[in-house]
Amino acid sequence: EVQVVESGGGLVQPGGSLRLSCAASGFTLSDHYMDWVRQAPGKGLEWVGRTRNKANSYTTEYAASVKGRFTISRDDSKKSLYLQMNSLKTEDTAVYYCVRVAADYYFDYWGQGTLVTVSS
Amino acid sequence: DIQMTQSPSSLSAFVGDRVTITCRASQGISSSLAWFQQKPGKAPKCLIYAASRLQSGVPSKFSGSGSGTDFTLTINSLQPEDIATYYCQQYKSYPLTFGGGTKVEIK
Repeated sequence: EVQVVESGGGLVQPGGSLRLSCAASGFTLSDHYMDWVRQAPGKGLEWVGRTRNKANSYTTEYAASVKGRFTISRDDSKKSLYLQMNSLKTEDTAVYYCVRVAADYYFDYWGQGTLVTVSS
Repeated sequence: DIQMTQSPSSLSAFVGDRVTITCRASQGISSSLAWFQQKPGKAPKCLIYAASRLQSGVPSKFSGSGSGTDFTLTINSLQPEDIATYYCQQYKSYPLTFGGGTKVEIK
């Protein structure tokens, strides 16, 4: 059974840093692109960024709102994906979802999400 | 960036009704469109990909159509368990973008 499980959310002050993790199971992580998507409280969905698979050299893409502050990485040997978030702003407060990308490039499996709250 | 505009933003219908949600892209995206269902407090779930392909395990009461800039999601015979917010999303080009969502309620 395919599963992705996020962890690492919590309360952080503006300007601070936090690293989210995503544990993948039930599939070969190195075969897949993986994305992060977030949802501010009561708001819609916002794509954060992507790491491509091993065949595509693990290259990354980011939304303009996080580029230069957030970094996506992965360790396929540990079946894990990471989101390093620096220089956090109050507007980064959201539930962060780890999402598997299917071979046809759509989002086929989502984690349950982890809440990040940026507040003083 | 490609803007995705969903309508309506909310709707209320009777049990058994057919419900249609539309999504318009600001530029052509071929068939690179997915629809998601999100129930309160839960993660989104993929219903439709490639504009009209039913995701595995999703009931056939859900269907999608369209290509280019105009797309629709249809829910046949609305049931209480279909109460959710529905989102469209384009995956043609970066940044990937979502519609604003359509909240579906029962009358």
